[in-house]
Amino acid sequence: KAGVTQTPRYLIKTRGQQVTLSCSPISGHRSVSWYQQTPGQGLQFLFEYFSETQRNKGNFPGRFSGRQFSNSRSEMNVSTLELGDSALYLCASSPGQGPMNTEAFFGQGTRLTVV
Amino acid sequence: GENVEQHPSTLSVQEGDSAVIKCTYSDSASNYFPWYKQELGKGPQLIIDIRSNVGEKKDQRIAVTLNKTAKHFSLHITETQPEDSAVYFCAASQRTNAGKSTFGDGTTLTVKP
Repeated sequence: KAGVTQTPRYLIKTRGQQVTLSCSPISGHRSVSWYQQTPGQGLQFLFEYFSETQRNKGNFPGRFSGRQFSNSRSEMNVSTLELGDSALYLCASSPGQGPMNTEAFFGQGTRLTVV
Repeated sequence: GENVEQHPSTLSVQEGDSAVIKCTYSDSASNYFPWYKQELGKGPQLIIDIRSNVGEKKDQRIAVTLNKTAKHFSLHITETQPEDSAVYFCAASQRTNAGKSTFGDGTTLTVKP
């Protein structure tokens, strides 16, 4: 069973630009959650998508957005990048419902550096 | 919202010793508590989890205990090996809302050979 795939692995962007990150969940999983990981703030929840709908949202500004497609693949977008957006962005895949709902599997992340 | 505190932030043990990492949570509605291991350059990997209707769970050298009354849970690793060296995260969520987890700040475990 293929794992969670995040692309690209590394990105370097300039302040003010926008960026789109992609996450392909495990086959059959319908929930994709996004997290920002920084040394100072740890793992912070961004949002969760289930069946193409945003089901949960964390406390991030509107510059952070996401979407999910009918095949459960998800993208997150960050507009008007700031230096503080430099982080490892992780996505987690889970069934989204049913008895195994809670088991989440993480991708390797996308390392975003804003210069 | 939920708040999860984890300690210690760093832990160094000799190979073969035991390691214990503790977490506390604030939201009594949380009922699912996973533990993740993150190695350098990789995403977190689920190593064990516990649900609120269980007090203890064991998987080979790893065990997790949960005290719902005190709102704390702990990870126990016995007979540590150098390959156990990594960052460990605890998390809390609700089973009906598991897509949104709150994580502790992590514990860097170093196992000295």
